[in-house]
Amino acid sequence: KNQVEQSPQSLIILEGKNCTLQCNYTVSPFSNLRWYKQDTGRGPVSLTIMTFSENTKSNGRYTATLDADTKQSSLHITASQLSDSASYICVVSEGGGFKTIFGAGTRLFVKA
Amino acid sequence: SAVISQKPSRDICQRGTSLTIQCQVDSQVTMMFWYRQQPGQSLTLIATANQGSEATYESGFVIDKFPISRPNLTFSTLTVSNMSPEDSSIYLCSVPTGPNTEAFFGQGTRLTVV
Repeated sequence: KNQVEQSPQSLIILEGKNCTLQCNYTVSPFSNLRWYKQDTGRGPVSLTIMTFSENTKSNGRYTATLDADTKQSSLHITASQLSDSASYICVVSEGGGFKTIFGAGTRLFVKA
Repeated sequence: SAVISQKPSRDICQRGTSLTIQCQVDSQVTMMFWYRQQPGQSLTLIATANQGSEATYESGFVIDKFPISRPNLTFSTLTVSNMSPEDSSIYLCSVPTGPNTEAFFGQGTRLTVV
């Protein structure tokens, strides 16, 4: 069964600190992996998308890594800001790339 | 990129009634997806709306409960029928821009059924 598991479920960090969120998946065949940020009451917004051949991709203070062999991805947030408080969702696409499986998300709280 | 306008942004409805959610895209897209996000949960795909054909529903979702219209390549509606409190969720539409490109989401409709 294709699954996407994220950890931790929630995380509290102090402003200015770094953090890393994890995503493990069993989706096959693999097409791409995306990280989304979802603010409370809003739709998800794409942070990064990586295909099989990509190992890392950055978007400002967000850096995603992908290990297609171990089927693991991480999202590293550098120098966190209060506005980083949100849910971060890992999404893996299978087959031709349109069918997607969503992780449950990591709820990040950044405190001053 | 694609800009998606979804409305209403929120509504409070009486049980037994129906609500239609609209999703307008600023460009023509072949596929549009409708998701449900229950409180504290991640997104669950309800159905895929294709222009010119009936929507394809995921397991656990049926057309009688969630009828979908797709009259053209820029617009779709999702109706939540005969609502019960269990239907209280955020409903989102989404469009892909390609198989390995990002998908864009509407801002969501927060539905509360009382």
